[in-house]
Parts: sequence; structure tokens; C-alpha cells
Amino acid sequence: EAGVAQSPRYKIIEKRQSVAFWCNPISGHATLYWYQQILGQGPKLLIQFQNNGVVDDSQLPKDRFSAERLKGVDSTLKIQPAKLEDSAVYLCASGTSGGRGQYFGPGTRLTVT
Amino acid sequence: GNSVTQMEGPVTLSEEAFLTINCTYTATGYPSLFWYVQYPGEGLQLLLKATKADDKGSNKGFEATYRKETTSFHLEKGSVQVSDSAVYFCALSDLSAGGTSYGKLTFGQGTILTVHP
Repeated sequence: EAGVAQSPRYKIIEKRQSVAFWCNPISGHATLYWYQQILGQGPKLLIQFQNNGVVDDSQLPKDRFSAERLKGVDSTLKIQPAKLEDSAVYLCASGTSGGRGQYFGPGTRLTVT
Repeated sequence: GNSVTQMEGPVTLSEEAFLTINCTYTATGYPSLFWYVQYPGEGLQLLLKATKADDKGSNKGFEATYRKETTSFHLEKGSVQVSDSAVYFCALSDLSAGGTSYGKLTFGQGTILTVHP
């Protein structure tokens, strides 16, 4: 079974530039999550989709971050404009409902200079 | 709100030593509990889980028991190996909101484990 795919793996941009990350979840997983993991901390949920609808985006900085999940499959997370404090690893995860755990992709390491 | 607290790290052990990483949680409902591991340069991997009180999760020699009375889920291993060196995260998933949370995970801050030969 293929795992969660993410791209790119690494990205370096200057502040005020924009960037987009892509995620393809495990086939059949209705729930998709984007987490932000700042160095030395645990991941923090940014947004959660159930199929193509948003379930929770309470921690998403909506003035600069946006995400979509068209057709209930893959998803894109965008930052525009980026700030220095956005430097982090962005993790995508997928799972089924019922609290059985999530499966994580390898992450995208973003460095904002 | 929900929260997870892990013991402060880093933890440094010699090979074959006994490992305990403490984890306690606060949740409004009846959470499922997880341990995730992040090896150097890799993504998060589910190590083990427990979905109700007194359940024991186990995998790769690691164990953790869901203790509702002490709100704890401590990770243990009887004999660690160099290959166990990684960052370990305790997490919970709370379905108390009528099942609509869809498994949102709340993580602890992570504990770095280094095992020396």
C-alpha cells in the first residue's frame, strides 16, 4: 500500500514570497490533515478535511495560509506572503474517522530567509 | 482544552538499558492515545496505540498502558538498542465532540532519545 506522498521535500524562499505544498493521501482515506512542526516542538494541526470539506481550521492563520482539497483526494497548502516564523516542517497525514490514528507523509521542510 | 505533557529530554541511555518516557494527558472526553516515533531524517511513524482504559499497546518491544485513573500513557522498553535513537511523541485523539473531531491529534513536545553502544 502506497503511503502519503508530499512534495516538494525541501523549499527555501525569501520572506514575502509565496509557496505551495502538495499532498496525496493514502487511497481511500477520507480525512486529510495538515500540521506545522516547528523545530523542537510537536506538530500542531493547521487544517483538517473530511472528504473535500473543512472540519477544523481554527489554528490556520487565514490572513496568509490557505488550503484546498479538490475532489476529496489530494490537497494543496499555500502560504502567501511567507514570514520568517513560517520556517518549519509541514506534515500531511491521512486517516479514517474513528480515532484509529493517522499516517504521515515525509513532510516538506520550509526555510524562509 | 486537550493537552499532552511529556517528560523533559533529552534522554541518553546505554544499549540494553531500560527505557521509560512519561506522558500524561488532559482531555474532555474519552481519548485514544498514541506514541509516534520520528527517526532522523524521516517522517512520523505510528509506534503503538490504545483506544480505551487499561488497553496495552505494543510494537517492536515497546509497550504503553492506558491508565485512566492517572491520565497517563508511559512508554517503556526493556532493552533499548542504538537503532531506537529517535524523537518520541505522545499524542491523543479525542472523539468526545459527538464523533465529529475525526481523529484530530494533539501532540506532546517530543522526547529525544539517544542510545549509545
